[in-house]
Amino acid sequence: DTAVSQTPKYLVTQMGNDKSIKCEQNLGHDTMYWYKQDSKKFLKIMFSYNNKELIINETVPNRFSPKSPDKAHLNLHINSLELGDSAVYFCASSQEPPGQGNQPQHFGDGTRLSIL
Amino acid sequence: QKEVEQDPGPLSVPEGAIVSLNCTYSNSAFQYFMWYRQYSRKGPELLMYTYSSGNKEDGRFTAQVDKSSKYISLFIRDSQPSDSATYLCAMLDSGTYKYIFGTGTRLKVLA
Repeated sequence: DTAVSQTPKYLVTQMGNDKSIKCEQNLGHDTMYWYKQDSKKFLKIMFSYNNKELIINETVPNRFSPKSPDKAHLNLHINSLELGDSAVYFCASSQEPPGQGNQPQHFGDGTRLSIL
Repeated sequence: QKEVEQDPGPLSVPEGAIVSLNCTYSNSAFQYFMWYRQYSRKGPELLMYTYSSGNKEDGRFTAQVDKSSKYISLFIRDSQPSDSATYLCAMLDSGTYKYIFGTGTRLKVLA
């Protein structure tokens, strides 16, 4: 019955590899997000999609590529992983995009990515 | 200077105490305010959200917003050991339509 679910929960991999993280929400929300939380707990927006369209694209390396096959799913593919990519990646969703209706975000439990 | 400042703590209080958690911000475009609770190895969980200045109460939690001072607070009454977590404030920048988070305050409620 988890509202926002991410897989995998943990991801340990070698530098240079390519990996994907998947996110699904069953809340019927139109907008989904990817955040990165560093070791100091700072949450920073990476991407946001509304109804499968990209609406926020922060200054992140182009090794990171989001994809939204439908409005309930938002995946994140990372190419050529680097040591600095180690962090917790959170998926979130909201009823509407920021600024429209101002509905709050609901978060998944995160994917802990460790680069060796 | 960060857009949102939040004391990282840790803040340790005895069970039953009233806890006050605070954030300050510098951007007057921040218009919508939230508090999240994050347990270890879990995602942020929404506690309170409010748009206007003033107080909003929900059970043991009260959110307070003072837009003139650019200061928001979360009060927890009758704190419990189960309240031990990191508390994150978040704000919507109405100029960029992005949510900006504080770095969180770690709270420990001692039994």
